[in-house]
Amino acid sequence: EPEVTQTPSHQVTQMGQEVILRCVPISNHLYFYWYRQILGQKVEFLVSFYNNEISEKSEIFDDQFSVERPDGSNFTLKIRSTKLEDSAMYFCASGRELAYNEQFFGPGTRLTVL
Amino acid sequence: AQRVTQPEKLLSVFKGAPVELKCNYSYSGSPELFWYVQYSRQRLQLLLRHISRESIKGFTADLNKGETSFHLKKPFAQEEDSAMYYCALGSGGSNYKLTFGKGTLLTVNP
Repeated sequence: EPEVTQTPSHQVTQMGQEVILRCVPISNHLYFYWYRQILGQKVEFLVSFYNNEISEKSEIFDDQFSVERPDGSNFTLKIRSTKLEDSAMYFCASGRELAYNEQFFGPGTRLTVL
Repeated sequence: AQRVTQPEKLLSVFKGAPVELKCNYSYSGSPELFWYVQYSRQRLQLLLRHISRESIKGFTADLNKGETSFHLKKPFAQEEDSAMYYCALGSGGSNYKLTFGKGTLLTVNP
C-alpha cells in the first residue's frame, strides 16, 4: 500500500540556519499539506498546496517558510532562518481529492533547533 | 473560527469496558468531522469520518449538531486500542485544512 514518506526522520540545526524538510506524497494525489506539532500541543495546520501553488496558509506560515514541489514527486518545506520555537514534529500529508476523503500522513520529521 | 475541543488528555479503562472519547467542535459552516488515531511509533491514520457512518475496529461516532459533538465510542475496549486519538474538523471549501483537537491518550489495561 502506498505511503507518504518524509526525510529526514530527525533534523538538528542551529538557530538561524536554513532547513529543508522533504516529503514524497502518494503518487496520484493532488493536494498536499504541512502540519506541525510542538511537543505537548495539538497538530496545527501550516499550509496547503494544490496545482503548484499555495491554497491556504496559517498565521504560523510567515515569510520564513516556503513550500515547493520541485519535481513530480517531492514536496518540500523550507524554513529560512530557524528559531528555537520552530522545534516541533513536522508532518506532511497528501490527499487524492478534497472533502469527505482522508489525508494520508507521513511519519513526520522531528526538527530540533539549538 | 473553527475549534476542536477534546476535554480529556488521558483516559484509562480496563479491557472489556466501554469507552467514550469526547469531542466538541465550533464551526459556523457545515462540519466535516474525523477521528484520527496514532498508535505507538506509527503515523497518524484515519479511523473514521462522520460522512461514512461506518464502524471501524468496533468504534463508532455520531455527529450531534445540536450539541456540536462527535464523540467516539466503543462498547468493549481491547488492549490494542491503546493509542492517541485526535478529533479533527475539515474546513471544506477549496482548501480543506484539518483543525485538530489536542488529542486523548487512551490506555486499555488488561
